Amino acid sequence: GAGVSQSPSNKVTEKGKDVELRCDPISGHTALYWYRQRLGQGLEFLIYFQGNSAPDKSGLPSDRFSAERTGESVSTLTIQRTQQEDSAVYLCASSRGTSLFNEQFFGPGTRLTVL
Amino acid sequence: GNSVTQMEGPVTLSEEAFLTINCTYTATGYPSLFWYVQYPGEGLQLLLKATKADDKGSNKGFEATYRKETTSFHLEKGSVQVSDSAVYFCALRSGGSQGNLIFGKGTKLSVKP
Repeated sequence: GAGVSQSPSNKVTEKGKDVELRCDPISGHTALYWYRQRLGQGLEFLIYFQGNSAPDKSGLPSDRFSAERTGESVSTLTIQRTQQEDSAVYLCASSRGTSLFNEQFFGPGTRLTVL
Repeated sequence: GNSVTQMEGPVTLSEEAFLTINCTYTATGYPSLFWYVQYPGEGLQLLLKATKADDKGSNKGFEATYRKETTSFHLEKGSVQVSDSAVYFCALRSGGSQGNLIFGKGTKLSVKP
């Protein structure tokens, strides 16, 4: 596609519910990253996928967070038993690779509000 | 660990004023440094980057020089426009297999006509 797309753009949920966020990377981009931006904070790295390698989950804040990616296509980020502190904008980015010279292109984000 | 610290905002300037947004970093090795911009209602966009010491990144009239001795990457523009109003993020990317970015908290810039 023309750019990274994410859905939904906004999600309001009740505490304790599960949510699933979707990211469509740019076609041909092998690397995909998820970040989280809480109010007044910078972006926090959550997880990244590179091709068919095992994902790097080192940034996930708890075991309630998980993500999947099939090949080099769509990725979903799942948050189970949501808590109010999960409220944030979740951003997805993709790049051709993980080299320092590969620019990361960001999607518009999903704003998650947990009531 | 690696981290980025940038000046807190918001910053409010009049059109044609000089802009500086300070950014310092802590990192092992030799990271690449970036400035990203987020215009209202839009996604993050790469503004400029520098991949080694003394490199100067520039774009759209903005400049930043990679200063290893002061571990800084300050963003400057000589004459800001209303259209520059946005949130600016300083970030670094260190070597290794991950390639993920480490961001500062962002600085909101408002330019008044």
